[in-house]
Amino acid sequence: KAGVTQTPRYLIKTRGQQVTLSCSPISGHRSVSWYQQTPGQGLQFLFEYFSETQRNKGNFPGRFSGRQFSNSRSEMNVSTLELGDSALYLCASSSGLAGASDTQYFGPGTRLTVL
Amino acid sequence: AQSVTQLGSHVSVSEGALVLLRCNYSSSVPPYLFWYVQYPNQGLQLLLKYTTGATLVKGINGFEAEFKKSETSFHLTKPSAHMSDAAEYFCAVSDMGGGFKTIFGAGTRLFVKA
Repeated sequence: KAGVTQTPRYLIKTRGQQVTLSCSPISGHRSVSWYQQTPGQGLQFLFEYFSETQRNKGNFPGRFSGRQFSNSRSEMNVSTLELGDSALYLCASSSGLAGASDTQYFGPGTRLTVL
Repeated sequence: AQSVTQLGSHVSVSEGALVLLRCNYSSSVPPYLFWYVQYPNQGLQLLLKYTTGATLVKGINGFEAEFKKSETSFHLTKPSAHMSDAAEYFCAVSDMGGGFKTIFGAGTRLFVKA
């Protein structure tokens, strides 16, 4: 089975711009979660989608949004970029059927740099 | 609310020595506990997880962890470190009260000396 893929792998933007990141989960997985990883804050949960519905979200401002398509692919969008948004954005997929005990499979991440 | 504390942001061991990475958690309901490893420029890979049943969990690459409810701990061990074990390790917790949200610890970077 192919793993979780994320595109693009690297991205450079300037303050005020917006960005869209994409995640393709493992075939058959219906849940996609997004995390932000920074040296100072570690791994922080952004949101989780299951069958096109957001089931949970973390404590991020409304500039961070996401969606999931009928084929389970997911996108996250960050509007009005700030320098502090520079981070590695990780996507994780799971079956979505085992609840909190589900194993998450992570993609390689998208490295976003905001100048 | 769930939380995870990993003691020691950096741990250094000699090749062949015991690896012990510490993790303590907080959860108001029975937790599900995970250890993940992250190699440079890669995503996270599951090492092992505890859901229910046997409290000693064996994972990949010779790692194991023991769930101790009384100590709210889930420490990761490996009897003999290998150079390829050098990476960052994350402990994580989730529970049914958390609504499909996994909370990660700050991570412990493991260095292995030849």
